[in-house]
Amino acid sequence: EIVLTQSPATLSLSPGERATLSCRASQSVSSYLAWYQQKPGQAPRLLIYDASNRAPGIPARFSGSGSGTDFTLTISSLEAEDFAVYYCQQRLNWPTTFGQGTRLEIK
Amino acid sequence: EVQLVESGGGLVQPGGSLRLSCAASGFTFSYHTFNWVRQAPGKGLEWVSYVSSSGTTIFYADSVKGRFTISRDDARNSLNLQMNSLRDEDTAVYYCARGEWLLSGNYYYGMDVWGQGITVTVSS
Repeated sequence: EIVLTQSPATLSLSPGERATLSCRASQSVSSYLAWYQQKPGQAPRLLIYDASNRAPGIPARFSGSGSGTDFTLTISSLEAEDFAVYYCQQRLNWPTTFGQGTRLEIK
Repeated sequence: EVQLVESGGGLVQPGGSLRLSCAASGFTFSYHTFNWVRQAPGKGLEWVSYVSSSGTTIFYADSVKGRFTISRDDARNSLNLQMNSLRDEDTAVYYCARGEWLLSGNYYYGMDVWGQGITVTVSS
């Protein structure tokens, strides 16, 4: 099973700042990595698929990069609605697996 | 509107059974794969099961293999999860999620549509 490790566990930033979230895979997942955002009491929302492609309707301030084992989700300028928990997910192999999440909180 | 709506959750004793359903609308159900994903209280996301568009390919997480059964009914636009021999650690919010979307004849892969989630509590 491919293990995804996200860092940091918690990130404290202010609106307008840039956020950089990391996801590291225990083995190469090529570009088969997605990012999701989850707000309290809500279902996850797909942000990025295949490492660097924004899902339909996702604002341009969200971007993804990386391949192989190291991936990054960047939010260029944080808005109030961006404070949430973010998960990465690999789909190279079954079982598909999620990282443990990064909580992005307001500083 | 593209939508998934789960039902069937509730409180069940350890060792009991429960059947979750997920009703789809707003898209052609038979074209898509589906997953069940769960989230224990205060925890992260855990993938549970997958079914292909044809229904012939099915996968389960090791934690539920032999106890849970996923199925789909394309005539009713419905996804199901039969959960038997339930344990305390199965307590979670269960989500159904579509596996991909179609755009201009091409498939793009990611869980793009999710239900609102349904709570399953296993407790005596």
